[in-house]
Amino acid sequence: QQQVKQSPQSLIVQKGGISIINCAYENTAFDYFPWYQQFPGKGPALLIAIRPDVSEKKEGRFTISFNKSAKQFSLHIMDSQPGDSATYFCAATRSGTASKLTFGTGTRLQVTL
Amino acid sequence: SAVISQKPSRDICQRGTSLTIQCQVDSQVTMMFWYRQQPGQSLTLIATANQGSEATYESGFVIDKFPISRPNLTFSTLTVSNMSPEDSSIYLCSVDPLGGLSTDTQYFGPGTRLTVL
Repeated sequence: QQQVKQSPQSLIVQKGGISIINCAYENTAFDYFPWYQQFPGKGPALLIAIRPDVSEKKEGRFTISFNKSAKQFSLHIMDSQPGDSATYFCAATRSGTASKLTFGTGTRLQVTL
Repeated sequence: SAVISQKPSRDICQRGTSLTIQCQVDSQVTMMFWYRQQPGQSLTLIATANQGSEATYESGFVIDKFPISRPNLTFSTLTVSNMSPEDSSIYLCSVDPLGGLSTDTQYFGPGTRLTVL
């Protein structure tokens, strides 16, 4: 599987702050980039996703920024809340490849009061 | 979306034994996937299981160690055979309700936490 690099490994943000998680990929054939949120003891849940035909996608407090030329994409969580404390995974796949997801290494986010 | 359940939710097993994990989906899906998530690590795809065909395994995973069944469009099993402590992980199934034709969106089950002593 092609690699997806994710940083930082862990992140502590104060309530109300902005959480930023970055990912970089190698395979230029990737054309779908989802973000998953995982709480302890639960399976990952799809949070938001983007395709490379747009540079930004926003859903509520969550925004993906996408830089195709740099092969990078990032998740921004605005007005971070303690309930956002979870592990976040970026992923990538190429359409038509049986949806095989390549996951980043994960970022453990802690939002403090 | 799809609602996915897994059984068991957790288990503690002795080395050398085998465990079969069940994955049930609330709707018919073509594509099901099995992942392994080692403690504190990311998810690694074990295999893709499509109904009516043999499972396709990723590099580093073999059928003898992880046999998979897919008897119908709502159910699959993964067996972890001849277990060793290195097999201690969370095993997750996921589905792509649209069969990879459009959104490539996958939904995950809650996982099975396996500890091998």
